[in-house]
Amino acid sequence: EAQVTQNPRYLITVTGKKLTVTCSQNMNHEYMSWYRQDPGLGLRQIYYSMNVEVTDKGDVPEGYKVSRKEKRNFPLILESPSPNQTSLYFCASSLSRFTANTGELFFGEGSRLTVL
Amino acid sequence: EDKVVQSPLSLVVHEGDTVTLNCSYEVTNFRSLLWYKQEKKAPTFLFMLTSSGIEKKSGRLSSILDKKELFSILNITATQTGDSAVYLCALHSGAGSYQLTFGKGTKLSVIP
Repeated sequence: EAQVTQNPRYLITVTGKKLTVTCSQNMNHEYMSWYRQDPGLGLRQIYYSMNVEVTDKGDVPEGYKVSRKEKRNFPLILESPSPNQTSLYFCASSLSRFTANTGELFFGEGSRLTVL
Repeated sequence: EDKVVQSPLSLVVHEGDTVTLNCSYEVTNFRSLLWYKQEKKAPTFLFMLTSSGIEKKSGRLSSILDKKELFSILNITATQTGDSAVYLCALHSGAGSYQLTFGKGTKLSVIP
C-alpha cells in the first residue's frame, strides 16, 4: 500500500531533549516536505527536499533540522525542543518537483508533539 | 498579513444543504490554487485549479477559480455527515518555489 509513514505518532517530551520524527515513503517520490499545523495558524511549511541531499527552508525553519540521505526517508530533527514547538507535524511527499508544484501531495498521518 | 484567507472559519449545516466555501488570496502571479479536505487525520487532495473560469468537479464537490477577482470557491451539494471536515485552500506561488501557502481552513459540520 502506497503511504507516508511517520513515527512517533504521539510524543511528550521535555525542553532541551533532542528528538527525531521519522518520515518514510514507499512510492519512490522525489519530493518530501514537513509541515506543522497549529490552531488559528493553519499548515506552515518547515523544510522541503527535492531529492537526495537537496533540502531547503520553508516558512518556519527555525529550531529544526532535516536530512535526506536516502530517497525514501526525510527525518525532522529538533536539536533542543522548546514549548513553542508543541504542534501537530505532517510529512508529505510528491512524485517529483513538478507534481509538488501542482500541490499533489500525499500526507502522513501526523505526529502530535508536546514539549513541556 | 495572510496571503490566503478562507471564509467562513466554521459552518454548521444540515444534511442535504448546499454549501459554498470561499478562498481569497493576494498573490496575482501564481501557479495553482489547491483544495484539500482534512478529517481527523492527514489532508487529502481534492482539486487543483490553474485557469480562471474552468470548473473542476468530482461527484457532489466542485470548485472554480476567478483570477480577476482573486478568489476561489468550493461548492458541496446535497451535503452528508461524511463531508464534515476542515477544508483547506492552498496557493502555490510560482516558478522556482516549491512552497505551498495554506489558509487557516473552514471547519464544516454537517448535522443529520
